[in-house]
Amino acid sequence: DMKVTQMPRYLIKRMGENVLLECGQDMSHETMYWYRQDPGLGLQLIYISYDVDSNSEGDIPKGYRVSRKKREHFSLILDSAKTNQTSVYFCASRDINSGNTLYFGEGSRLIVV
Amino acid sequence: GDSVTQTEGLVTLTEGLPVMLNCTYQTIYSNPFLFWYVHYLNESPRLLLKSSTDNKRTEHQGFHATLHKSSSSFHLQKSSAQLSDSALYYCALNTGGLSGKLTFGEGTQVTVIS
Repeated sequence: DMKVTQMPRYLIKRMGENVLLECGQDMSHETMYWYRQDPGLGLQLIYISYDVDSNSEGDIPKGYRVSRKKREHFSLILDSAKTNQTSVYFCASRDINSGNTLYFGEGSRLIVV
Repeated sequence: GDSVTQTEGLVTLTEGLPVMLNCTYQTIYSNPFLFWYVHYLNESPRLLLKSSTDNKRTEHQGFHATLHKSSSSFHLQKSSAQLSDSALYYCALNTGGLSGKLTFGEGTQVTVIS
């Protein structure tokens, strides 16, 4: 069964602190994504990773960076979190063998106070 | 750039009545792929259905949609809403390039009442 796992699921941080969100997949998918979900804005793409150390900015990369050192893991890093980064973050991986279907994790809810 | 528009942000339906969620898109690519994803509360978003060729209907789990390139639309329909259809629905566009970038609409929150 295809699975994407995100950790942590819930996180509260103070403004200016660093945040690390981690994502893992066991399907050997090459392409992975980080999205954030906000009411009325839908899912907005932060970064895409095409494979190890091959990352590309999405539509809203400012304030974020990513790391992918193993195909199975894709991390989202917030250096000095801001209150407007309070959101639900979703990781996804792409299955090219099923018409480019995206498999999503369960989300990481981040609150920055 | 590419964009997807879902005109209804919130939809409340009575059980048993038909469902139609609007989705239109803009892209310069001539062969786009459209998707509907559904996000139930406390679960992961997951694929509901994806487009086939132009003007061909695709169906899954009682829902159906038809890609119409002439009107740049991929509306989601169901003949009879069920309480379990209450969820957040996203229309998404992929232009088939190497990037694999999926552009999502704003989402439509559907609530089905009895």
